[in-house]
Amino acid sequence: GENVEQHPSTLSVQEGDSAVIKCTYSDSASNYFPWYKQELGKRPQLIIDIRSNVGEKKDQRIAVTLNKTAKHFSLHITETQPEDSAVYFCAARNTGGFKTIFGAGTRLFVKA
Amino acid sequence: EPEVTQTPSHQVTQMGQEVILRCVPISNHLYFYWYRQILGQKVEFLVSFYNNEISEKSEIFDDQFSVERPDGSNFTLKIRSTKLEDSAMYFCASRQGLRSNQPQHFGDGTRLSIL
Repeated sequence: GENVEQHPSTLSVQEGDSAVIKCTYSDSASNYFPWYKQELGKRPQLIIDIRSNVGEKKDQRIAVTLNKTAKHFSLHITETQPEDSAVYFCAARNTGGFKTIFGAGTRLFVKA
Repeated sequence: EPEVTQTPSHQVTQMGQEVILRCVPISNHLYFYWYRQILGQKVEFLVSFYNNEISEKSEIFDDQFSVERPDGSNFTLKIRSTKLEDSAMYFCASRQGLRSNQPQHFGDGTRLSIL
């Protein structure tokens, strides 16, 4: 079945450093890849997404890259701040948009 | 900004009882979803619903689960005979659907505790 692998499970960085989270997906029919930030007890919040016809997208300190051939995509956060500390989930959605599979999550700690 | 709303925020139920979780999707959205998140784990897809029928469901969504859109605004998830392992946060989401790659909007979730 479809699967999304996410690494690392935990990431600790110093404030101001960059953080990179990587995901791979198995379903080659996936065409939409959102990233969510989830704080404790809260809903997943969309922070950035990328469509399959695009290789890279940037929004201020956040960027996402997609390699469709290798079936992997990555989240890059630059100049990290303590408020970036949260759990980050990658996800992949199939064509038609009926099913989204989430990665296992990365717990990011940003130390002040 | 319009939001997906879910009620109740916390539901405590005895094992074996039926439970109904309620969601009001964003009004002009056409696609509706339920997800489950066991404490400390990932978000798991349960079911998607479009045009008054289930579009896709996961292996978690067995005969104990059902969904319904009883009127023009509500979208419900029913668990017929709850088990301890059904304890989780349940998120509803909706998507407008004009294009297949539009984002989903999540509600705040219902925390279901089975005793």
